[in-house]
Amino acid sequence: GEDVEQSLFLSVREGDSSVINCTYTDSSSTYLYWYKQEPGAGLQLLTYIFSNMDMKQDQRLTVLLNKKDKHLSLRIADTQTGDSAIYFCAETYGGATNKLIFGTGTLLAVQP
Amino acid sequence: DTAVSQTPKYLVTQMGNDKSIKCEQNLGHDTMYWYKQDSKKFLKIMFSYNNKELIINETVPNRFSPKSPDKAHLNLHINSLELGDSAVYFCASSQVVHEQYFGPGTRLTVT
Repeated sequence: GEDVEQSLFLSVREGDSSVINCTYTDSSSTYLYWYKQEPGAGLQLLTYIFSNMDMKQDQRLTVLLNKKDKHLSLRIADTQTGDSAIYFCAETYGGATNKLIFGTGTLLAVQP
Repeated sequence: DTAVSQTPKYLVTQMGNDKSIKCEQNLGHDTMYWYKQDSKKFLKIMFSYNNKELIINETVPNRFSPKSPDKAHLNLHINSLELGDSAVYFCASSQVVHEQYFGPGTRLTVT
């Protein structure tokens, strides 16, 4: 199957950490991604992780990958109001094809 | 400089009409894509072209026809528009699959 699941909504206070979770289905996915979509805009690639890694850190962002459970998470440290957006995880699917399967999206609301 | 651009940004039309959405990328990428985002924000790939050749064609009605006149352009033509076609359509391009650059989207409303 091609379902990539995320929780729909997360609300945090400014300055707290946010953790957005994702479960994916294709164990052969080579890369897993996090994209951000601000209101009325296109998607912006935030970060990605290669499937043979279990963690990647990039400034305030930390990606954790648990291949056994097919679980991906994105932690945003010191969350700011500008981080309010919809976050999509995505996996490559089907081996060599340039096909991304996107998750259902998590709306992150940051309260001041 | 806009990397991936789409026109128009908004498109309102009546059922049964035919319309086109244009996409251009100035990144020199070989691969371009069309995605559809529905009202629940669910995003799904429709088509992908690599060097003007169709490489991904998802289960999309025949009313949707992509056309790639050259590597930098991928247009989407939709015949006989239906209410269910209302969505935001995103174009994207990439050189490698894990770095897809998205356009700003075209909001299509069919009345």
